Amino acid sequence: DTAVSQTPKYLVTQMGNDKSIKCEQNLGHDTMYWYKQDSKKFLKIMFSYNNKELIINETVPNRFSPKSPDKAHLNLHINSLELGDSAVYFCASSQDTGEAFFGQGTRLTVV
Amino acid sequence: GENVEQHPSTLSVQEGDSAVIKCTYSDSASNYFPWYKQELGKGPQLIIDIRSNVGEKKDQRIAVTLNKTAKHFSLHITETQPEDSAVYFCAASKGTYKYIFGTGTRLKVLA
Repeated sequence: DTAVSQTPKYLVTQMGNDKSIKCEQNLGHDTMYWYKQDSKKFLKIMFSYNNKELIINETVPNRFSPKSPDKAHLNLHINSLELGDSAVYFCASSQDTGEAFFGQGTRLTVV
Repeated sequence: GENVEQHPSTLSVQEGDSAVIKCTYSDSASNYFPWYKQELGKGPQLIIDIRSNVGEKKDQRIAVTLNKTAKHFSLHITETQPEDSAVYFCAASKGTYKYIFGTGTRLKVLA
């Protein structure tokens, strides 16, 4: 059973399009995250949600809008995609501020 | 601001030798220090962690040490095996729903 699952695994799209990435966790955790990993493998926090409430928004452009319909889901919608948005996006979850479990990532390529 | 430095960026060792990766954090309020292993095409996976009230922790061939005064923590892998080859990340957290990651170390274990 996959603990943190993201879909899709790969996403190729043109500049200017709008796309969504979905994330679900079956660990019963109350906290979920989105991280961005760039081409140099650097992992940077984008958003944190605790009990469906936004806790951290790390100066992410407002083209990125996370949505947490319930504690088990945290989706990421991106408007007007730009070339610089190309990266691997990781969803993660934890129980409060404990150990974080990561999904397998979504490789986004904007052409 | 919060920052975690990680060295070296690449490390090659002969199979059976030991590998050491070092990190330094800037925020003295950090109290949780996980280490993640990322294999190609996968998400980061926690391999060991340590909290600020402990100086050392060991789990079979891996160990982590923490020097709070110097704000240093290190990962030690003994008797390395080819399957240890991966990118390793250190991280620091002060319980604010955010993990600050180091820049990663690409470990190659040569058979």
